[in-house]
Amino acid sequence: NAGVTQTPKFQVLKTGQSMTLQCAQDMNHNSMYWYRQDPGMGLRLIYYSASEGTTDKGEVPNGYNVSRLNKREFSLRLESAAPSQTSVYFCASNWASYNEQFFGPGTRLTVL
Amino acid sequence: KQEVTQIPAALSVPEGENLVLNCSFTDSAIYNLQWFRQDPGKGLTSLLLIQSSQREQTSGRLNASLDKSSGRSTLYIAASQPGDSATYLCAVNLSVGAAGNKLTFGGGTRVLVKP
Repeated sequence: NAGVTQTPKFQVLKTGQSMTLQCAQDMNHNSMYWYRQDPGMGLRLIYYSASEGTTDKGEVPNGYNVSRLNKREFSLRLESAAPSQTSVYFCASNWASYNEQFFGPGTRLTVL
Repeated sequence: KQEVTQIPAALSVPEGENLVLNCSFTDSAIYNLQWFRQDPGKGLTSLLLIQSSQREQTSGRLNASLDKSSGRSTLYIAASQPGDSATYLCAVNLSVGAAGNKLTFGGGTRVLVKP
């Protein structure tokens, strides 16, 4: 099992550009999550999907959109990137809420 | 709002010493608490999940305790090794409805084990 995979690993964008971060899990998990990690701010939840077909906002959803494409895949889209979105983005999944969460390796995004 | 604090932010110990990492949280209505390890430039690796009904959870050299009433959890790592050098994060899961989907993380404790 690959667990939780994320693409790309690194990305540099210019302000105003758009991009989609991809996440996939092969553990048959129902719930998936997107976090960002910033120095001094810790990990913060952006969006989550409790089950296929549902998505909900987390703590810092502004500037982002998500799509739960199917049970395996959960993407995060930046429509118009801003320097404040420079961060490390992590995808995570678990079988259901309250269960142990498993994390992907992260995507390092720099917005110039 | 749940707040999670980890003190100290950094810790350096000689190899072989036992590690004691602290995590405190403000809202005792938690469902569970999870400890993670993060190596530089890497993702988070789950170490232990301790349910609110449990007092402790063990895995190998790791032992996590939970005291909900005082809002504290402690991660003990016995006989530390240089390979234990990493940042350790705790995260709590609230027990209230949809909030149960949301982990609130502490800022982490960066550990260095010197050979």
